[in-house]
Amino acid sequence: GQNIDQPTEMTATEGAIVQINCTYQTSGFNGLFWYQQHAGEAPTFLSYNVLDGLEEKGRFSSFLSRSKGYSYLLLKELQMKDSASYLCAVEGYNFNKFYFGSGTKLNVKP
Amino acid sequence: SAVISQKPSRDICQRGTSLTIQCQVDSQVTMMFWYRQQPGQSLTLIATANQGSEATYESGFVIDKFPISRPNLTFSTLTVSNMSPEDSSIYLCSAGSSGSFNEQFFGPGTRLTVL
Repeated sequence: GQNIDQPTEMTATEGAIVQINCTYQTSGFNGLFWYQQHAGEAPTFLSYNVLDGLEEKGRFSSFLSRSKGYSYLLLKELQMKDSASYLCAVEGYNFNKFYFGSGTKLNVKP
Repeated sequence: SAVISQKPSRDICQRGTSLTIQCQVDSQVTMMFWYRQQPGQSLTLIATANQGSEATYESGFVIDKFPISRPNLTFSTLTVSNMSPEDSSIYLCSAGSSGSFNEQFFGPGTRLTVL
């Protein structure tokens, strides 16, 4: 079976840094993805990790530890528009087949 | 990247009827998928739409309830059959890329309400 865990909700202040964690136990691993989803909209791709370590992309960074089944998404210099749900997804044995966590709703306050 | 459109964007249906959702991709893609997203929840994979063969369904989803077509590399349909209020959800299709890694692109979703 597939088990992907994320916190349900987080709140942070504009300009701050927030870290969203994701732990996973899946039958097979071909990569981990983070998606952003604003209410009522489609998920959009943020980052991808397949090797251990940190991938940086502007204000967003994502980290992966395969041995620990752990990833996090780091958002710096938070802006109000970053208020959204953040979805962690693991690509299993079958390429392109994704299994999503429950999503973390991030509320950014002024 | 791929741009994906879905029709209808939303619908309100009566119990016992069926609705077919269309998904169109602006380029040929190898993989297409259908997901369900309950309000406030994450995405659950329903099935992989295979071109030229039957769809591959995930545990808990069956072909009689969710028949899927994939006539070519840019188009797929999902039918929600014999609907009940429990089928009220957002249905999203996605397409797999063929780039350096297997990113998925998502359609805008179809919001279905069953009365």
